[in-house]
Amino acid sequence: GENVGLHLPTLSVQEGDNSIINCAYSNSASDYFIWYKQESGKGPQFIIDIRSNMDKRQGQRVTVLLNKTVKHLSLQIAATQPGDSAVYFCAENQRTGGFKTIFGAGTRLFVKA
Amino acid sequence: EPEVTQTPSHQVTQMGQEVILRCVPISNHLYFYWYRQILGQKVEFLVSFYNNEISEKSEIFDDQFSVERPDGSNFTLKIRSTKLEDSAMYFCASYPGVTDTQYFGPGTRLTVL
Repeated sequence: GENVGLHLPTLSVQEGDNSIINCAYSNSASDYFIWYKQESGKGPQFIIDIRSNMDKRQGQRVTVLLNKTVKHLSLQIAATQPGDSAVYFCAENQRTGGFKTIFGAGTRLFVKA
Repeated sequence: EPEVTQTPSHQVTQMGQEVILRCVPISNHLYFYWYRQILGQKVEFLVSFYNNEISEKSEIFDDQFSVERPDGSNFTLKIRSTKLEDSAMYFCASYPGVTDTQYFGPGTRLTVL
């Protein structure tokens, strides 16, 4: 698959458990953060976003937490399912004219049935 | 639901040849982007395009790369003389200019032999 990478951190969870994926971002001036899911052979798929004036945002089965003090972002997936198996990237939008998205290194989530 | 499309899905070329990767962004979007992902690595920003000109480009986007919006629907990335290290997945993305969410295409896998 596209994201076979010996150096990708991997999180392995049992189906039904909660997953927490962590990310450190680089630019304290970034004001918008996104989590993307990437399945093998596909493009990044938007999961959830959060603005810098918030510290928590909830979606369907997913929650994003933002700690600006330590520049840390986390993605929580409740009741993880086999279909959640993918590589997850955090990303930050840097505004320069329009904006560009800077991706983190990615974490592979493996869900055991 | 509207989506970004890319062609071809896989392109194989000889080193030194020119390639053109094609994208059809979502029709009412204003900003267009190219990203690349070398196997096993993170997604990297290449270039952003707005109002028929490049608004930002990364260090990767050197003189061998160019982008064009030849008509009202297509957005292309040209690599003039491909190198082995250009082998990667290339993702096109578009952004409506209202929210902060980019929409990614499925990618073109470029293999340079």
